[in-house]
Amino acid sequence: TQLLEQSPQFLSIQEGENLTVYCNSSSVFSSLQWYRQEPGEGPVLLVTVVTGGEVKKLKRLTFQFGDARKDSSLHITAAQPGDTGLYLCASRLTDSWGKLQFGAGTQVVVTP
Amino acid sequence: SAVISQKPSRDICQRGTSLTIQCQVDSQVTMMFWYRQQPGQSLTLIATANQGSEATYESGFVIDKFPISRPNLTFSTLTVSNMSPEDSSIYLCSGTGNTEAFFGQGTRLTVV
Repeated sequence: TQLLEQSPQFLSIQEGENLTVYCNSSSVFSSLQWYRQEPGEGPVLLVTVVTGGEVKKLKRLTFQFGDARKDSSLHITAAQPGDTGLYLCASRLTDSWGKLQFGAGTQVVVTP
Repeated sequence: SAVISQKPSRDICQRGTSLTIQCQVDSQVTMMFWYRQQPGQSLTLIATANQGSEATYESGFVIDKFPISRPNLTFSTLTVSNMSPEDSSIYLCSGTGNTEAFFGQGTRLTVV
């Protein structure tokens, strides 16, 4: 089973500041997904990265996939209170199509 | 994308009783899964709900405690049996399409 290490566990920042969340593994990811979960809701997919070195942007969110496909980062520019939530990285387990393994999660709180 | 309706959204149950959680998808999905999550923490996979056959359970989870049904491609139930306070958690169902997983909003269970 591939272990996904996610850091930091918790981030509390002021509106307008930037933040970065990291997801690492000792093994190569076939692909990696980032989800955001708000209180009382299920996780919602933000992005899937597949190619080493890939960079994807979703408005103020920038996702990077490491060249070796062992690490990924999520960077939020000028955070807003609406960015508050639990951010989870996830990878598909190779032994079962569709089954996901999640990182520990990063709780982000953006205060006005 | 698929929309997953999960109910109940929350419940408070007496120890020793059982609760059945229902999950309805608005379109056919290949795979359905059940997860457990402590508030603010990551998701732990309970089992894969197989259509027309017995569910496949992850290590630490057994059918007697968490019986699962999936009579068709769009519906599944998870029962938490003989509940104890340790079963208090958020339970989430998930369906996977070609590229992403969709989640219900979760069931927050409190056992007293």
